[in-house]
Amino acid sequence: EPEVTQTPSHQVTQMGQEVILRCVPISNHLYFYWYRQILGQKVEFLVSFYNNEISEKSEIFDDQFSVERPDGSNFTLKIRSTKLEDSAMYFCASRAEGDGYTFGSGTRLTVV
Amino acid sequence: GENVEQHPSTLSVQEGDSAVIKCTYSDSASNYFPWYKQELGKGPQLIIDIRSNVGEKKDQRIAVTLNKTAKHFSLHITETQPEDSAVYFCAAKVGGTYKYIFGTGTRLKVLA
Repeated sequence: EPEVTQTPSHQVTQMGQEVILRCVPISNHLYFYWYRQILGQKVEFLVSFYNNEISEKSEIFDDQFSVERPDGSNFTLKIRSTKLEDSAMYFCASRAEGDGYTFGSGTRLTVV
Repeated sequence: GENVEQHPSTLSVQEGDSAVIKCTYSDSASNYFPWYKQELGKGPQLIIDIRSNVGEKKDQRIAVTLNKTAKHFSLHITETQPEDSAVYFCAAKVGGTYKYIFGTGTRLKVLA
């Protein structure tokens, strides 16, 4: 069964550093998403991406965040200057036209 | 804003018994309601979904019901097994978008 692949599985970073979280969506999917889950809390929408541009973003997704699809297969989330409160599980998801999402296994980001 | 409430937050059942998890949503334009199972250290996995033109859908031991008038939808798991133990999330697609709003999750424990 096709999978969404995320790397790394765990990233520890110093406060103020930049991080890039990587995702390889399912190959024939057209719509891409990032969600995050703070420990023990609900899964929260960050951003959706289609046709090489952001289609929607939440209030969490401020100027410190950016997304990119640099090479037609990877989909990345960059956090420019990490804060302690950015510590969370970050999930990438993708979907084909009209289908539900397939989520990746997530990247646990720990900001120290 | 859009909101999804989920109850209970934890649920313990004896193996073989049924489990029911309930969600309510606020956006009357929502028309797609997926349910996700999340095991420890993994991403949410779609287990069943329902669209607003259907009142009930069943897949083996799992069923979902939807009451559009009351804005309620529920997950029913029959003949529970220990491997059903996980956190279950309901979600509702925000009308006019493909963004999902997730419930707060239910930790289901099936006791052998």
